[in-house]
Amino acid sequence: DQQVKQNSPSLSVQEGRISILNCDYTNSMFDYFLWYKKYPAEGPTFLISISSIKDKNEDGRFTVFLNKSAKHLSLHIVPSQPGDSAVYFCAARGDIYGGATNKLIFGTGTLLAVQP
Amino acid sequence: NAGVTQTPKFRILKIGQSMTLQCTQDMNHNYMYWYRQDPGMGLKLIYYSVGAGITDKGEVPNGYNVSRSTTEDFPLRLELAAPSQTSVYFCASSYSTPVNQPQHFGDGTRLSIL
Repeated sequence: DQQVKQNSPSLSVQEGRISILNCDYTNSMFDYFLWYKKYPAEGPTFLISISSIKDKNEDGRFTVFLNKSAKHLSLHIVPSQPGDSAVYFCAARGDIYGGATNKLIFGTGTLLAVQP
Repeated sequence: NAGVTQTPKFRILKIGQSMTLQCTQDMNHNYMYWYRQDPGMGLKLIYYSVGAGITDKGEVPNGYNVSRSTTEDFPLRLELAAPSQTSVYFCASSYSTPVNQPQHFGDGTRLSIL
C-alpha cells in the first residue's frame, strides 16, 4: 500500500520553462513533506520542505505547494535548468500511527529531464 | 567534508552468505537511518537509531540487524542473504528529527545476491 505516490515516472521540459512535479498522499496524519533530489550513483540530497500548516514554501527557483484537502503537493522549478535533471522524490513524515515520528515515507520518484 | 561514508560501494553475495554494510558519519549527528531502494520504487526504511545504543525498526526490517555502539557508526548486518535483498542500500544521518534537520545521505551500496 503506497502511502506516498508519484504517478509520473518521468517528465521532460525545455530549459527555461517551468517543471511541475506532483505527489499525492493518502494519510492525513502526515505533518511534514519534503522533496529530495537524486543524481545517478549518488545519495538523495534535501531540496525543500513544507509543514502541513502551510500551503506554500519558496526557496529560490523552487516552490512547493500543498493542498491538504486534495492530499496533493507539487514542486515547481522556475526556470528549469539542465543541471536540474535528476530523480525527484517526495517524502512525508509519519506512519500509520501518526505524524510526529522520526520516519519518512518516500514516493517512487519522478525522473526530470531538462532539455537544452 | 566526508559527510556520510558507505562501504563497500558494490558487492555480490551468494545466497545464504552474510555480510555487514558499513556506514560512518563525521557530522556528530544523533540520528542515523538505513534505507533500501528497489528498482522503480522509493526508499524504504529498514532500521533507524536516535542515538548510541538505541535502535528501532522501520518498514522492512526482516532479514537485517543493526547496532549503534558509537555516534559515528551504524552498520547493517545481513545474516542469511536472499535474492529478495538485492537492492541499493542508503545510509543517512541527521542531527535531529528528519524535518527539523534534513537527512544527509551516503552514496549507496549496490548489493546483488545470486
